[in-house]
Amino acid sequence: GENVEQHPSTLSVQEGDSAVIKCTYSDSASNYFPWYKQELGKRPQLIIDIRSNVGEKKDQRIAVTLNKTAKHFSLHITETQPEDSAVYFCAASYPGGYNKLIFGAGTRLAVHP
Amino acid sequence: ETGVTQTPRHLVMGMTNKKSLKCEQHLGHNAMYWYKQSAKKPLELMFVYSLEERVENNSVPSRFSPECPNSSHLFLHLHTLQPEDSALYLCASSQEYGELFFGEGSRLTVL
Repeated sequence: GENVEQHPSTLSVQEGDSAVIKCTYSDSASNYFPWYKQELGKRPQLIIDIRSNVGEKKDQRIAVTLNKTAKHFSLHITETQPEDSAVYFCAASYPGGYNKLIFGAGTRLAVHP
Repeated sequence: ETGVTQTPRHLVMGMTNKKSLKCEQHLGHNAMYWYKQSAKKPLELMFVYSLEERVENNSVPSRFSPECPNSSHLFLHLHTLQPEDSALYLCASSQEYGELFFGEGSRLTVL
């Protein structure tokens, strides 16, 4: 079955620095790669996603890149702010009429003022 | 308001109890999901219902029993659980391949 590895498990940066979180997936059939942000005590919420026919997608300070050949994708956050502090989960999905997401273990990002 | 509501938010139960978790979505989605979130582990997909039909059952023990009476409601019936089943249980919904919308979760503690 699909397996998603996520690194690092924790990441600490200074406000204004960039943060990069990397994920690899095992099944080449995966075609959808979302990133979710979960603040303490809150629900996971989608922040950005990318489909397999696109190599890069950007939304303001957040960008995601996908390398299908290497089966890895990354989240890039620029100009980090304290409110970016949260746990970030990557996921990979199969086609199938519904969104079968397999999640990575998560990265706890701390942005220090 | 994300449109996915879970009750109860917190539940403490003994190993011999029977309880149920409830999820309701007001988004008109056609798929609903149960995920288990334990500390320092990935979100684990437990069950998926698409158009009210169970399409995924990821080797979940039979002490967890899902029910989807219609496209807006999803239940997780709990019976003779173990302490290691203590976790945050997250419900989500989506429209086919679209974004998953999660509820706030039900924090379960098994004594």
